[in-house]
Amino acid sequence: SAVISQKPSRDICQRGTSLTIQCQVDSQVTMMFWYRQQPGQSLTLIATANQGSEATYESGFVIDKFPISRPNLTFSTLTVSNMSPEDSSIYLCSVVIFGGTEPDTQYFGPGTRLTVL
Amino acid sequence: GENVEQHPSTLSVQEGDSAVIKCTYSDSASNYFPWYKQELGKRPQLIIDIRSNVGEKKDQRIAVTLNKTAKHFSLHITETQPEDSAVYFCAAHNAGNMLTFGGGTRLMVKP
Repeated sequence: SAVISQKPSRDICQRGTSLTIQCQVDSQVTMMFWYRQQPGQSLTLIATANQGSEATYESGFVIDKFPISRPNLTFSTLTVSNMSPEDSSIYLCSVVIFGGTEPDTQYFGPGTRLTVL
Repeated sequence: GENVEQHPSTLSVQEGDSAVIKCTYSDSASNYFPWYKQELGKRPQLIIDIRSNVGEKKDQRIAVTLNKTAKHFSLHITETQPEDSAVYFCAAHNAGNMLTFGGGTRLMVKP
């Protein structure tokens, strides 16, 4: 497995501001993903963070709202821009260590609990 | 795209009883099905997974079965204990190592 950390672990923000969440892994991984988990709900994939290129966004999520960076194989950031109370959620990064033609296990970071007032 | 349905949404059992959670998926090309356990305030943790080339997998008190023809898979927990209380998520793997998650099942084990 991999040791995954996220910063911050939680934050309370004012509407209209932006927050950048960091995800750090202790080893190189092939794939990194960002999920959103609204209170009491399941996990929804926001995007795949691609190293050195633009992220691949799922339906309903756009780069202007959720810009993502992945400068190397161990680090990624997700920014939640121009926040509104509807953005209050837990944001989780996940990683796949090996990847390849066969599916590989996804491991999750501890999450960032965001509250927007 | 893939669609994963999970039932029941809540499940309450007595300690020592068995618990069964069922999921169906829509994409016949899906070939990997993990189960995650999420305790309150914690990250989802993988507890067991199954690939499409097997029909059943067991790990101590937990087991997973897969019926590819019917496109459904189930989680079985035997001899439940209070520490099994959590939310359980099934998932199905799509292309590109992406997972689609079921809606979750809140399991409560009463002592």
